[in-house]
Amino acid sequence: GAGVSQSPSNKVTEKGKDVELRCDPISGHTALYWYRQSLGQGLEFLIYFQGNSAPDKSGLPSDRFSAERTGGSVSTLTIQRTQQEDSAVYLCASSFLGLAGGPMGELFFGEGSRLTVL
Amino acid sequence: AQKITQTQPGMFVQEKEAVTLDCTYDTSDPSYGLFWYKQPSSGEMIFLIYQGSYDQQNATEGRYSLNFQKARKSANLVISASQLGDSAMYFCAMRGPYNFNKFYFGSGTKLNVKP
Repeated sequence: GAGVSQSPSNKVTEKGKDVELRCDPISGHTALYWYRQSLGQGLEFLIYFQGNSAPDKSGLPSDRFSAERTGGSVSTLTIQRTQQEDSAVYLCASSFLGLAGGPMGELFFGEGSRLTVL
Repeated sequence: AQKITQTQPGMFVQEKEAVTLDCTYDTSDPSYGLFWYKQPSSGEMIFLIYQGSYDQQNATEGRYSLNFQKARKSANLVISASQLGDSAMYFCAMRGPYNFNKFYFGSGTKLNVKP
């Protein structure tokens, strides 16, 4: 597709279970980001991947959170032993950052994965 | 530390009037980019407008314009002729500085357009 695709769109799970959220970025975009948005709140940075560089994991809230990006394309965010406070919308975004003076590198967002932990 | 501040959690505007959404940022680096995004109740994030720190003129995109005051470190979004469909959350964001891959988002402003 032309846009960023995320799945599942909705996920309801029980406390303590593991969940995987998938993001398929726009083809050719070198950077991929994960954000978390709690109800009525702003965006909390989690992690980003840029090309073949080591990911910036500085926003991951605990070691229960991890993410991978395979082949420079699809990314999976994994939350182990989910807690109720993990309930949120998880947004994925991708961008193409060109040379200075080139593309502005805006983020293109997916529609999000809404996670509810019971 | 980099920081984006949106001081208006909620605002009301009458349909067809103009409205300004405030955004200030904190950085000591001369190179950065500023963005505004709209998030309707459906949840999607829609890119509206971009301003580069070296741009001499304020950015405009249709009914959206960015009032960029570099010395004051402010990047306010102006929406002219508000429409009911403009009711949404609006987020200001900064890319960079230092790390051009890093985006920092403000806490957002909820705009309600009244008929």
